[in-house]
Amino acid sequence: LAKTTQPISMDSYEGQEVNITCSHNNIATNDYITWYQQFPSQGPRFIIQGYKTKVTNEVASLFIPADRKSSTLSLPRVSLSDTAVYYCLVGAEGNDYKLSFGAGTTVTVRA
Amino acid sequence: NAGVTQTPKFRILKIGQSMTLQCTQDMNHNYMYWYRQDPGMGLKLIYYSVGAGITDKGEVPNGYNVSRSTTEDFPLRLELAAPSQTSVYFCASSFRGQGNLGTDTQYFGPGTRLTVL
Repeated sequence: LAKTTQPISMDSYEGQEVNITCSHNNIATNDYITWYQQFPSQGPRFIIQGYKTKVTNEVASLFIPADRKSSTLSLPRVSLSDTAVYYCLVGAEGNDYKLSFGAGTTVTVRA
Repeated sequence: NAGVTQTPKFRILKIGQSMTLQCTQDMNHNYMYWYRQDPGMGLKLIYYSVGAGITDKGEVPNGYNVSRSTTEDFPLRLELAAPSQTSVYFCASSFRGQGNLGTDTQYFGPGTRLTVL
């Protein structure tokens, strides 16, 4: 399994853009990068997944450079309700992977 | 769809007691998982199942047992509760099909908060 490294915590203010970078130096050729969000006292929730370049949905954007050794989750104009833990995961279904959730990045949004 | 449901929400056990954590999904997913999450930590996979009748160990299986007699249900059994099993337990399910790229999206239940005293 590709190991991921992400910051332990980040602070932001309402209306700002939050960018969380995840390092995955030993990502395999067919691995995808997936981000989950976990609110306090809830289970994680899928946010976004990508393989290369940029992926955008209604919640976030995911930027993946050409070498794929890192990725950045971008949360535009955050609100207080975006305070959560964000997990970066790497894997591919064909490899019989098992998702590995590290400690994640705790994002705290302040008024 | 109710998604993934877990019961109970909270439970306090004494050392040595046993209990079963229930998990049910109504999305016809073939894969189901059990994770535990200790305070301030990420999730660790306990057991998973790729379909009815098939289960396999995850990262931290010791002290737990599972069964999968139906597609919908995936109970987790603690036989001799120990303080080290105090944690929040999450059940999840997903659909994996042939030819899919990327990783399946896992849908999580609300969790069971277990305390062993």
